[in-house]
Amino acid sequence: GENVEQHPSTLSVQEGDSAVIKCTYSDSASNYFPWYKQELGKGPQLIIDIRSNVGEKKDQRIAVTLNKTAKHFSLHITETQPEDSAVYFCAAFIPYKYIFGTGTRLKVLA
Amino acid sequence: SQTIHQWPATLVQPVGSPLSLECTVEGTSNPNLYWYRQAAGRGLQLLFYSVGIGQISSEVPQNLSASRPQDRQFILSSKKLLLSDSGFYLCAWSVQTGGQGEQFFGPGTRLTVL
Repeated sequence: GENVEQHPSTLSVQEGDSAVIKCTYSDSASNYFPWYKQELGKGPQLIIDIRSNVGEKKDQRIAVTLNKTAKHFSLHITETQPEDSAVYFCAAFIPYKYIFGTGTRLKVLA
Repeated sequence: SQTIHQWPATLVQPVGSPLSLECTVEGTSNPNLYWYRQAAGRGLQLLFYSVGIGQISSEVPQNLSASRPQDRQFILSSKKLLLSDSGFYLCAWSVQTGGQGEQFFGPGTRLTVL
């Protein structure tokens, strides 16, 4: 069935270090992979996405990579800052649904 | 620009009472609409999605129902709430591209069933 696994569930890094969150999806029909950041008590906010015809995408300190053969995609945050602390969700889109990972709680320690 | 509204922001209801949560989207036409539930400290569970007026797909069997009476209005309802219905309810929309599309979330409704 449709499933997205996300690791790790929690991640603590020192300010300035990099953070990497990994996801694996099951349905080969998935063609769009967004990442969301959720702060406490708020709705998730789209921070970056990647489509199946692209292997890597970067937006300032955030990058996402996609390996369609292995069905893996990852979020990379460089030069982490305290305001990056939040819960991050990956998702895989198959028409018309978005299948979400279980989330990663990122803590950036000052 | 597009905006998504949800209300109420918070709600406390007794077990067995009815529920109605409303979501509206502005600035776009014919969106795909979604209802999710998020338990405390947990991930997002897709409850319902709709690709058009009156078209509702249910993902999880439960005592909740959804309706889409207008193009940009999505309503989540229950006739009798259970304790297990407590959670953070999120409405979302995406563009009807028939394929890959960005999805945007509302601010959410925190429901506590006592």
